[in-house]
Amino acid sequence: AQKVTQAQTEISVVEKEDVTLDCVYETRDTTYYLFWYKQPPSGELVFLIRRNSFDEQNEISGRYSWNFQKSTSSFNFTITASQVVDSAVYFCALRGNSGTYKYIFGTGTRLKVLA
Amino acid sequence: GAGVSQTPSNKVTEKGKYVELRCDPISGHTALYWYRQSLGQGPEFLIYFQGTGAADDSGLPNDRFFAVRPEGSVSTLKIQRTERGDSAVYLCASSLREKAGGTGELFFGEGSRLTVL
Repeated sequence: AQKVTQAQTEISVVEKEDVTLDCVYETRDTTYYLFWYKQPPSGELVFLIRRNSFDEQNEISGRYSWNFQKSTSSFNFTITASQVVDSAVYFCALRGNSGTYKYIFGTGTRLKVLA
Repeated sequence: GAGVSQTPSNKVTEKGKYVELRCDPISGHTALYWYRQSLGQGPEFLIYFQGTGAADDSGLPNDRFFAVRPEGSVSTLKIQRTERGDSAVYLCASSLREKAGGTGELFFGEGSRLTVL
């Protein structure tokens, strides 16, 4: 079975602080894909990043960075110098590569960035 | 349109009524997904289509729920004999293709909020 766990339900930080959102996944597939999505108060889920299981290189995009570690089945997301506009719910998702191509989402982490 | 379009954006109905929710995916996207999101929860998978056929409907909670995609584009999620527990936001997403070795990220619509009184 595939599973995504986001243990942090809600995080509050003060603007300009760095914050890391944790994601732990479970899958038996040898090839799989991991994603992060942002859901702002408006409600529409916005794609942030996709990572293939065979590419463990970390990625940085502006203030965002992602740390993928297969050894611990984790795909953590860090926002550097957080801003109020980063306030949203963030979801980690997993898609396997055998049998079915459904995406499994975690329960999300609500990030509140305070001015 | 440029994005995934869902109608209606809001639907209020009475317990026991029949409801249809429509999704118009991004043009050219062959894969279409339906999810349900309850307050404070992550999207819960319901069903996905590859073309006209349902490739995986394992997430449909019971036989009151049904979805179709007759021409491989627009999809309709149908809920019969609605119950209060069906109240949620129903999300539709599409992607370019879903197959072994291929991934397209999901593009989501704004959702249809269903309230069953």
